[in-house]
Amino acid sequence: QKEVEQNSGPLSVPEGAIASLNCTYSDRGSQSFFWYRQYSGKSPELIMSIYSNGDKEDGRFTAQLNKASQYVSLLIRDSQPSDSATYLCASMNRDDKIIFGKGTRLHILP
Amino acid sequence: DGGITQSPKYLFRKEGQNVTLSCEQNLNHDAMYWYRQDPGQGLRLIYYSQIVNDFQKGDIAEGYSVSREKKESFPLTVTSAQKNPTAFYLCASMGTGTGYEQYFGPGTRLTVT
Repeated sequence: QKEVEQNSGPLSVPEGAIASLNCTYSDRGSQSFFWYRQYSGKSPELIMSIYSNGDKEDGRFTAQLNKASQYVSLLIRDSQPSDSATYLCASMNRDDKIIFGKGTRLHILP
Repeated sequence: DGGITQSPKYLFRKEGQNVTLSCEQNLNHDAMYWYRQDPGQGLRLIYYSQIVNDFQKGDIAEGYSVSREKKESFPLTVTSAQKNPTAFYLCASMGTGTGYEQYFGPGTRLTVT
């Protein structure tokens, strides 16, 4: 069964520090990867997508992909209390279906 | 404004009743999806449609039905056959040529008692 695995957390990070979120995926055929942020009681919001090996930066967010290790990560620089949320990692398989991880809860300590 | 709308935001039903959740998008996306989310759980795919008048079962389709008569609309019916219908239901859409990015509506929280 194709899966996306994440540590459920909570991950506690001091305000202003770098938060590092990780996930692994099992389907070697996956080509597209996504990070969503979900606040409690709200729907997921797409914050990053990455398709090729290496780093992709967007503001305070950097997504990293290593297809050989089947590993995706999200770095959040200068963490703010508003970054406290659950972060969902997802990959798209060859059937155009997105597989979601269960999410990592991130808590930014003021 | 472009986006995905779901209605209602909260829905309460008695056990044994069918209920239909609305999902509309004006993003001109071809593909639409329904997911279910339970507390502390990830998203589970119920049904998806990649084109009008066609749809496929996801991982947990039993007790649910859908239709895709218009590109903009993908309603989900939760039938009385669904054993544990209380959940947060999320609709998403994806366009071709957008890098396979899925965008979500605000969700409908269904409570069945």
